Amino acid sequence: LAKTTQPISMDSYEGQEVNITCSHNNIATNDYITWYQQFPSQGPRFIIQGYKTKVTNEVASLFIPADRKSSTLSLPRVSLSDTAVYYCLVGRGGGNKLTFGTGTQLKVEL
Amino acid sequence: DAGVIQSPRHEVTEMGQEVTLRCKPISGHDYLFWYRQTMMRGLELLIYFNNNVPIDDSGMPEDRFSAKMPNASFSTLKIQPSEPRDSAVYFCASSLVLEFSTQETQYFGPGTRLLVL
Repeated sequence: LAKTTQPISMDSYEGQEVNITCSHNNIATNDYITWYQQFPSQGPRFIIQGYKTKVTNEVASLFIPADRKSSTLSLPRVSLSDTAVYYCLVGRGGGNKLTFGTGTQLKVEL
Repeated sequence: DAGVIQSPRHEVTEMGQEVTLRCKPISGHDYLFWYRQTMMRGLELLIYFNNNVPIDDSGMPEDRFSAKMPNASFSTLKIQPSEPRDSAVYFCASSLVLEFSTQETQYFGPGTRLLVL
């Protein structure tokens, strides 16, 4: 399983754009990149997934360079409610297990 | 759908007692996962099932831990005997595997917070 490295914590203010970068140097050809969000006292929740280039949904954008050795989760105009832990995961489909790293604790302040 | 359902939400027990955690996956999902989360070790995968069959239990810490999935709508994680170091939040998740799909989304339950005194 590809190992991921991401910052332990980040701080931001309401209304700012937040970019969280994840490194996955040994990503395999068939691996996808997925981000989950976890609020205190809740289970992780799927945010976004991509394979290459850029993916955007109503919550976030995911930027993946051509070499796919890293990815950046972009949260536009964050609010206090975006304070959570964000996990970057790399893996394949077909029911393969996910390995959660330490995640990035994002703290948004007024 | 009600999502993944776990019970109980909180459990306090004494060392040596048996603990049984329960999970009802989302209907139609054919994969079920049990995770444990602690401050020290983060989120760890304990075991997962495909169509009620255990596929990988390499994350189960000791023989004191056992998991079953008697049918597609129910799974249990049992700890016997329990120890204080088992105190953690235990999550159940389920997913639907689509052939030739991307990495499947796992849907997590609310978790069971276990405290072993």
